[in-house]
Amino acid sequence: KNQVEQSPQSLIILEGKNCTLQCNYTVSPFSNLRWYKQDTGRGPVSLTIMTFSENTKSNGRYTATLDADTKQSSLHITASQLSDSASYICVVSPSATNFGNEKLTFGTGTRLTIIP
Amino acid sequence: SQTIHQWPATLVQPVGSPLSLECTVEGTSNPNLYWYRQAAGRGLQLLFYSVGIGQISSEVPQNLSASRPQDRQFILSSKKLLLSDSGFYLCARADRQTTGYEQYFGPGTRLTVT
Repeated sequence: KNQVEQSPQSLIILEGKNCTLQCNYTVSPFSNLRWYKQDTGRGPVSLTIMTFSENTKSNGRYTATLDADTKQSSLHITASQLSDSASYICVVSPSATNFGNEKLTFGTGTRLTIIP
Repeated sequence: SQTIHQWPATLVQPVGSPLSLECTVEGTSNPNLYWYRQAAGRGLQLLFYSVGIGQISSEVPQNLSASRPQDRQFILSSKKLLLSDSGFYLCARADRQTTGYEQYFGPGTRLTVT
């Protein structure tokens, strides 16, 4: 069964500190992995998307890494800001054999809280 | 603009009442459209997707249905709501591109069934 597991479930850090969120997946075959940021009561917003051949991708203070061999990904946030408080969701896509029927597998997310 | 509109933003409905949630999108024509539900503490669950007008695929058997009467309009409906239908409903779109059909999400509708 395709699964995406994220850890920790929740995390509280001081403003200005760095943090790393983890994602392990068992989706096979594998096409790409995405990280989304979801503010409370809002829709998810894409941060990064990586194919199986990519090891790292950055978007400002967000850096995602991918190890397709161990089926692990991480999202590193540098110099955290209060606005980083949100849920971060890891999403894995299998090989798309039929556009529209990707059957994305979503993790349950890590709830990150930044305190001043 | 690839803006996605959803309404209403919040909704409180009694058990057994009907439901109609609407999603409209702007931007390129013939997008793929999706309805997801997000229950508290759980990952997003795909309910329906559509690759064109009148084309609906259901992923989870339930008392919900979807329709796509126009290219940029996607509607989620129910004839009789259940308590278990409570959740956060998200509409999403995807456009043909080379990097894995990136999906963009709307602002969501919070549905509470009482």
